[in-house]
Amino acid sequence: DAGVIQSPRHEVTEMGQEVTLRCKPISGHNSLFWYRQTMMRGLELLIYFNNNVPIDDSGMPEDRFSAKMPNASFSTLKIQPSEPRDSAVYFCASSLMGTSGPPRELFFGEGSRLTVL
Amino acid sequence: QKEVEQDPGPLSVPEGAIVSLNCTYSNSAFQYFMWYRQYSRKGPELLMYTYSSGNKEDGRFTAQVDKSSKYISLFIRDSQPSDSATYLCAMAQAAGNKLTFGGGTRVLVKP
Repeated sequence: DAGVIQSPRHEVTEMGQEVTLRCKPISGHNSLFWYRQTMMRGLELLIYFNNNVPIDDSGMPEDRFSAKMPNASFSTLKIQPSEPRDSAVYFCASSLMGTSGPPRELFFGEGSRLTVL
Repeated sequence: QKEVEQDPGPLSVPEGAIVSLNCTYSNSAFQYFMWYRQYSRKGPELLMYTYSSGNKEDGRFTAQVDKSSKYISLFIRDSQPSDSATYLCAMAQAAGNKLTFGGGTRVLVKP
């Protein structure tokens, strides 16, 4: 299995530009998570989907951030317009979530390192 | 105050030493406790998973949970240079997949 695949691995852009990060989860997994990691705030959950439906987006910082999951094998995280404080590593993770019961192991991608100048 | 507190380190030890890591938390509803290992420029990967209080051992790794003190620990015996990484604790409540992560402790094992 190829694991969770994220693109791009690195993105450098200027303030005000639109940024789109992409994620392909592990085949068969039904939950997908977007995290952001910074030195100051650590690993923060932005949003997660179950069966392509957004379940909890309370971590999305503001309206400049949006996420979609049009099908089981693809998700995007978009920032428009981007700001320097959005600079971080953005991770996508997937999981096989049961209908109830304990949390399952998260499988992370290698991350997209975003720098906004 | 953060829900989960973790000393950022770095924690530097000689090869073969025991590495001791810990996290404290404030939410008494947490019941599931995990440790993830993150190598530089990589995503975190699950290392240990425990439920409620008690100990769990897996090879050189031992995880301990003390819910009465809201304190969890990870011990690495006979540490190797390949153990050099950032270790993140993570916790979840009874249901759902929403994990709360600690900030991570960077560990350096010197040959």
